[in-house]
Amino acid sequence: DTEVTQTPKHLVMGMTNKKSLKCEQHMGHRAMYWYKQKAKKPPELMFVYSYEKLSINESVPSRFSPECPNSSLLNLHLHALQPEDSALYLCASSQDPGRGTYEQYFGPGTRLTVT
Amino acid sequence: TQLLEQSPQFLSIQEGENLTVYCNSSSVFSSLQWYRQEPGEGPVLLVTVVTGGEVKKLKRLTFQFGDARKDSSLHITAAQPGDTGLYLCAGDVSGGSNYKLTFGKGTLLTVNP
Repeated sequence: DTEVTQTPKHLVMGMTNKKSLKCEQHMGHRAMYWYKQKAKKPPELMFVYSYEKLSINESVPSRFSPECPNSSLLNLHLHALQPEDSALYLCASSQDPGRGTYEQYFGPGTRLTVT
Repeated sequence: TQLLEQSPQFLSIQEGENLTVYCNSSSVFSSLQWYRQEPGEGPVLLVTVVTGGEVKKLKRLTFQFGDARKDSSLHITAAQPGDTGLYLCAGDVSGGSNYKLTFGKGTLLTVNP
């Protein structure tokens, strides 16, 4: 099973709202990622969690707050977003890169629209 | 400077034609992945290549990894409308020491019936 699930599929929120995106994987992967993707562009890395600890933050604004409650779950908390934050948000997971072939498996994404 | 150059960026062809997408870099990759992404969905992993000179086939898709592990190509034979999508190459230049994949800019392929 190489499935990464994400909820919700679509989200529309106002600039004063607080919402959360959720991601789950059951492949035993110990690295999980959040990406942001604009239309027809490659994904842009936002955060990496390794063994449930934040290991990379790509200078993401504080209105995005990641959380890794356990090795299977990854959340992205959203607060006071801007319209330019509208995008497809992708979650991915992988084995520890130091343990063999490095492949990331992506979820289906959450289409976020900020109004 | 783009670390991973992917070409062409856009490709529109008729059903039944063949095509090749290229992914080139001045860096050596420990491994390289090809993904296909349909609109509104996440990228789906097609293949991983690891060994220089490696060739892998997935039905009508043929993937090659250059001998020096700095380039790769994806060849599609007799393209079908179902092949339409954004094709992304992505590689690990760190030898597994960090968690970052380097992505190409993508090739947006349209196969017309």
